[in-house]
Formats: sequence, structure tokens, C-alpha cells
Amino acid sequence: QSALTQPASVSGSPGQSITISCTGTSNDVGTYNLVSWYQQHPDKAPKVMIYDVIKRPSGVSNRFSGSKSGNTASLTISGLQAEDEANYYCCSYAGSSAFWVFGGGTRLTVL
Amino acid sequence: QVQLVQSGTEVKKPGASVKVSCEASGYTFIDYYMHWVRQAPGQGLEWMGRISPNSGVTNYAQGFQGRVTMTRDTSISTAYMELDRLTSDDTAVYYCARSSRGGPGAPHYWGQGTLVTVSS
Repeated sequence: QSALTQPASVSGSPGQSITISCTGTSNDVGTYNLVSWYQQHPDKAPKVMIYDVIKRPSGVSNRFSGSKSGNTASLTISGLQAEDEANYYCCSYAGSSAFWVFGGGTRLTVL
Repeated sequence: QVQLVQSGTEVKKPGASVKVSCEASGYTFIDYYMHWVRQAPGQGLEWMGRISPNSGVTNYAQGFQGRVTMTRDTSISTAYMELDRLTSDDTAVYYCARSSRGGPGAPHYWGQGTLVTVSS
């Protein structure tokens, strides 16, 4: 069982927007603005899409955005494209006892 | 540009140990934590621990305490992860990943992964 809870799957049609949630506790997501989101295509290494809750690395499309409210962080992808179909993982700092924890991952299907 | 190049595929017998290397380039090695993350077949990502290349200080996830050792060789900008007493449950792809910043930062730049298969 993962420390952070994500929906197992989400889907959307091309051009639509989707949001993936990542629910933690006051020990991790709720306290630290250190949430990252990763995209992983089959047999590839993860790629960071969002870090520090809202920051987007250079080269990542502005269709990807992050937010946080309370113990839940969210990744929103707007203008869905076929190449967005992948697994997405959230990760949060959890203090000096657990350090870093991942969500179980969400499979995004573009219909 | 930041690059992390990991060692190749390993096949080990139960009870053995494995040591995976991660050679860094494109930045100052000692300035950023190095994380280790693994992914079992068809499963999610699991954080194993991290090492400060500057001080050598390590932090391990509870589930790996006593079985994992992370080290580094600053002269060749390389980090290592050694896992002991392997079982079939340790079959996974192991990734090194550089931190996003000099202080507390999440895995940001990732190596290509090293497949470790544990089988008798």
C-alpha cells in the first residue's frame, strides 16, 4: 500500500482536460510544498513534469500544471494529446522519518 | 546537460548481493543529493533512500534499513547502491535520480535504470 493515494486510472478525449489527485496526510503533502509529478511511458524512466507543487521544468508543456489544497495535490493536463497517455506518479517529502514517499500511480488513457 | 548513466543488467541468485553504479556528469556531483528508486515489474515507484555526495550521509527508507548501503566516489562522480540478501521480491528496475536542488529536493533527473533479476 502506497503512502500517497492516487486513482488507479483516469481517461479523457483529445482536447479535454483531466485532473489526477494525490492524497496524503498532514505529515507529507499537507505540510511540505515539495510535491512532484512524474510521467512514465512503458519501459522508460520517469520524467518530472511538475516539482515543488507548481513549478514546471523547462521543456515541459504548459498544458501541465500542479496545485495543492490541504492534504491533496493535483496534476491537471489540459488539451489532452495522444502522447500524454502514460502512467503518472506523485511524490512528496514526508519529513525526517519517512523522507520521500510515492503515490501508487495513475494510468491515463486518451480515448 | 545533466546525465546519469547506470551499470548494466544483473542476474543474481537468492541470498546474493547486487551493487549498481550511477555515473553523473553535466553538473557538480557533490552539490546534489542522489536518490535511489526501484520499480518491480508492473508496479509503482518505491523510494529506497538517498545519499549526500558531499558528506556521504545517507537516509534509507524503513523497509530497506539493514539491507541497503549507498556510497559514492567523488573522484569519479559515481554513486553506488548495494542491496544484500536478495529475494525474488527484489526483482525490479533500479533507478538513480539526482535531486532537484541542493537542499531537500525530490528526484528530478533520472538514470536509464538497471534491471536486477533474482532467480535460482
